[in-house]
Amino acid sequence: EVQLVESGGGLVKPGGSLRLSCAASGFTFSNAWMSWVRQAPGKGLEWVGRIKSKTDGGTTDYAAPVKGRFTISRDDSKNTLYLQMNSLKTEDTAVYYCTTVRQGVRFNYYYYMDVWGKGTTVTVSS
Amino acid sequence: SYELTQPLSVSVALGQTARITCGGNNIGSKNVHWYQQKPGQAPVLVIYRDSNRPSGIPERFSGSNSGNTATLTISRAQAGDEADYYCQVWDSSTASVFGGGTKLTVL
Repeated sequence: EVQLVESGGGLVKPGGSLRLSCAASGFTFSNAWMSWVRQAPGKGLEWVGRIKSKTDGGTTDYAAPVKGRFTISRDDSKNTLYLQMNSLKTEDTAVYYCTTVRQGVRFNYYYYMDVWGKGTTVTVSS
Repeated sequence: SYELTQPLSVSVALGQTARITCGGNNIGSKNVHWYQQKPGQAPVLVIYRDSNRPSGIPERFSGSNSGNTATLTISRAQAGDEADYYCQVWDSSTASVFGGGTKLTVL
C-alpha cells in the first residue's frame, strides 16, 4: 500500500525556518516525482512545488509565492521528501501535504497528484 | 496566469445527479483532474485526465471536458459524496493550478 507520512510541522515566528519531512513507503520512491501542496485555514488547495526523479534530472519547480524561500529536496536512500521553508510569513500558515505525481503527455502535458499524505500543520505567528 | 473558476456551492437531492463545473480559457485543450476533500481529511483523486477513474472510485463519478468548461458529474448522489471538490490543470506558464473549490451539499 502506498503511504506518505508528513512530519515536522509546528509553530514558528515570522522570519523563521522549518523543515518538513515526508516518509514514503509502498512504491519505488526513487522513480517518483513528488510534490507539496498546501491549504490555508478555510481556503482552497495551493500547489507549492515539485521535484523530479533523479533519472529525470532531479530538478525542482516552485509556485511564485514561495520561490526563493522554499526548497524541495529528496533522499532516495531514506525514501524521504523534504520541504525547507525559510523566511516564513504569516500567509504561509497552512496544512502541508506531500503527494506523488503522475505526469506525461496525452495530446497535451498532464500532471496530477495521485496519492496524498494526511498533512502536517504549519502555523506562522508571533 | 491561468485561472480556473468553480461555483462556490452546488446542491443536489439524494439520488439525483450533481454537476460541478470548472471554467478556464480553452480548458478543453488541457488535461483536467478532480479531487474530493471531506472535512478534516486529505484530498483524494477522483478523476484524472478528464474522464478516468482511479481504482476504488465508484462508476457514479465521471468527467468531461470541452471548450471552456470541464464538468465533474456525480450520478445517484449519496450523503457520503458531500465534500469539497477541486479541479486542477497544468499550465505551461503558471504550473499546477487549482480551482477555488466547490462545496457539494446532498439534500
